[in-house]
Amino acid sequence: EGQLLESGGGLVQPGESLRLSCAASGFTFSSYAMSWVRQAPGKGLEWVSAISISGTTTYYADSVKGRFTISRDNSENTLYLHMNSLRAEDTAVYYCAKNQGGPPRFHYWGQGTLVTASS
Amino acid sequence: EIVLTQSPATLSLSPGERATLSCRASQSVSSYLAWYQQKPGQAPRLLIYDASNRDTGIPARFSGSGSGTDFTLTISSLEPEDFAVYYCQQRSNWPITFGPGTKVDF
Repeated sequence: EGQLLESGGGLVQPGESLRLSCAASGFTFSSYAMSWVRQAPGKGLEWVSAISISGTTTYYADSVKGRFTISRDNSENTLYLHMNSLRAEDTAVYYCAKNQGGPPRFHYWGQGTLVTASS
Repeated sequence: EIVLTQSPATLSLSPGERATLSCRASQSVSSYLAWYQQKPGQAPRLLIYDASNRDTGIPARFSGSGSGTDFTLTISSLEPEDFAVYYCQQRSNWPITFGPGTKVDF
């Protein structure tokens, strides 16, 4: 399975930016498409974004399109989520997940990092 | 966007009992439906993919069925560790969507 370790979460004011990272180990990161999925406190799961193996193809949920950017560095085995213009409704635990298939199911998940957008 | 509806919202059962969880899609997703289990404070875990295939290491008491718009996750005999929230997810079309979840508790 390997390991996925998210970082970069924290408390920010609405309108500010944040970059999440997901460090992958124990598997060939460059062979897997990846995704971010979030979960607001006490709520269900919401897919946020996905990126292809090479990074050339990306997908976004309408709720984050134009504000969030997914990217990856296969040389560093790291997935990123750049979040701009954060809103209170973006408050959630953000999970990175290893994809299978396309569109994907999520075969393996990290433990998540909490993002709180609040004044 | 494909909307997934799960029922019931909460299922109150005892260990040893059979659990039957339902997931309905607003349009056909063929067999491209997965089930996840999530326990408090933990990440979700993939149980079933493509409607009826158990992921690696998932016990045989978990089974999935269905196609098109109606799907079922069955836990044949509940173990104490099975009390959790279960989500369905479709991968037939972008955007990927999840159901709202079914909580299985005592």
